Amino acid sequence: AQKITQTQPGMFVQEKEAVTLDCTYDTSDPSYGLFWYKQPSSGEMIFLIYQGSYDQQNATEGRYSLNFQKARKSANLVISASQLGDSAMYFCAMREGDAGGTSYGKLTFGQGTILTVHP
Amino acid sequence: DVKVTQSSRYLVKRTGEKVFLECVQDMDHENMFWYRQDPGLGLRLIYFSYDVKMKEKGDIPEGYSVSREKKERFSLILESASTNQTSMYLCASSIHRQKIDYEQYFGPGTRLTVT
Repeated sequence: AQKITQTQPGMFVQEKEAVTLDCTYDTSDPSYGLFWYKQPSSGEMIFLIYQGSYDQQNATEGRYSLNFQKARKSANLVISASQLGDSAMYFCAMREGDAGGTSYGKLTFGQGTILTVHP
Repeated sequence: DVKVTQSSRYLVKRTGEKVFLECVQDMDHENMFWYRQDPGLGLRLIYFSYDVKMKEKGDIPEGYSVSREKKERFSLILESASTNQTSMYLCASSIHRQKIDYEQYFGPGTRLTVT
């Protein structure tokens, strides 16, 4: 079963508008972390934001916020005031808890969503 | 700044060749990872290493091997390259801690074409 699902292969948004990129996850581990990465056309992966399963508040980093709905197992990325430079591939990823000390920080990634910002 | 470098941005090899992809990080990270990225499949873990000379298989290790002789360097080896190994290869590193909130740092990627 897919542990991380991103159902939107592509999204379009007008410059200065907000956009939500969807991510759902599947785990039975009570302790986990969720990450969003951005990959511009240059190919390098850029870390954007992190949400822990026990965090009470939704994570925010500048124009990025994470809409974390634990019961629904969703961790959607919200980008406010989109800019042309936001055009990129976006990946959601999960690290499950490491009670046994053997996960070594492995991440499981979703399929990605290509975001295009129109002027 | 953490820096992860990969030996080549673009590589073209012939079927059957032995291919080495090198990755170096400069932040004394214990963990290092090799992923391949294919359209519609996201990133899939090939191998990872949590210490020098230690390695673990990821989700798709078939056709690949790895080497970690020094802490800063993690090599991915394609013993006999095949056309289905044409892909983008990404290396990453992270601190080894019993915590879940540390991110992985990625290199720029190597786009490998096997003809």
